[in-house]
Amino acid sequence: NAGVTQTPKFQVLKTGQSMTLQCAQDMNHNSMYWYRQDPGMGLRLIYYSASEGTTDKGEVPNGYNVSRLNKREFSLRLESAAPSQTSVYFCASFQELKETQYFGPGTRLLVL
Amino acid sequence: RKEVEQDPGPFNVPEGATVAFNCTYSNSASQSFFWYRQDCRKEPKLLMSVYSSGNEDGRFTAQLNRASQYISLLIRDSKLSDSATYLCVVGDSSASKIIFGSGTRLSIRP
Repeated sequence: NAGVTQTPKFQVLKTGQSMTLQCAQDMNHNSMYWYRQDPGMGLRLIYYSASEGTTDKGEVPNGYNVSRLNKREFSLRLESAAPSQTSVYFCASFQELKETQYFGPGTRLLVL
Repeated sequence: RKEVEQDPGPFNVPEGATVAFNCTYSNSASQSFFWYRQDCRKEPKLLMSVYSSGNEDGRFTAQLNRASQYISLLIRDSKLSDSATYLCVVGDSSASKIIFGSGTRLSIRP
């Protein structure tokens, strides 16, 4: 099992550009999450998806959209990137039996 | 007030020392509690769940105090490899809301 995979690993954008961060899990988990991590702020939840076809806002959803088209994949889209969105983005899935979140390796995004 | 609060540290202790971290949470309805470990520039990984009765995993002991709404992590006989950031995590019963603390940085010196 690959676990949780994320692409790209690194990205540099100019203000106003758009991009989609991809996340996939092969563990058949229902719930998936997108977080951003900034120095001194810990991980903050952007959006989560409790099951295929459903999504809900987290703590910091503004400026982002998500899509959960199937059980495996949960993508995060920045329509018009801003410097404030410079961060490390982590995707995670949740195993209910062990109550454990499994994280992808992260995407480091720099918005100039 | 943050929903989950931790002392950011850094804690700088010698190898072999015992170190303890505390974490407080504000939502009394929280149902699940965890400690995650995050190495520099890596993703967080589960260290251990925290149960009401307290639990131990080798050199690591976790305690939960629901009345005072805090969680603790004790590391005995610390190793150089324990150097990392430790994240306190609190969740509701449905796992739809999982809140991370900002983390406590631990550095073990030889």
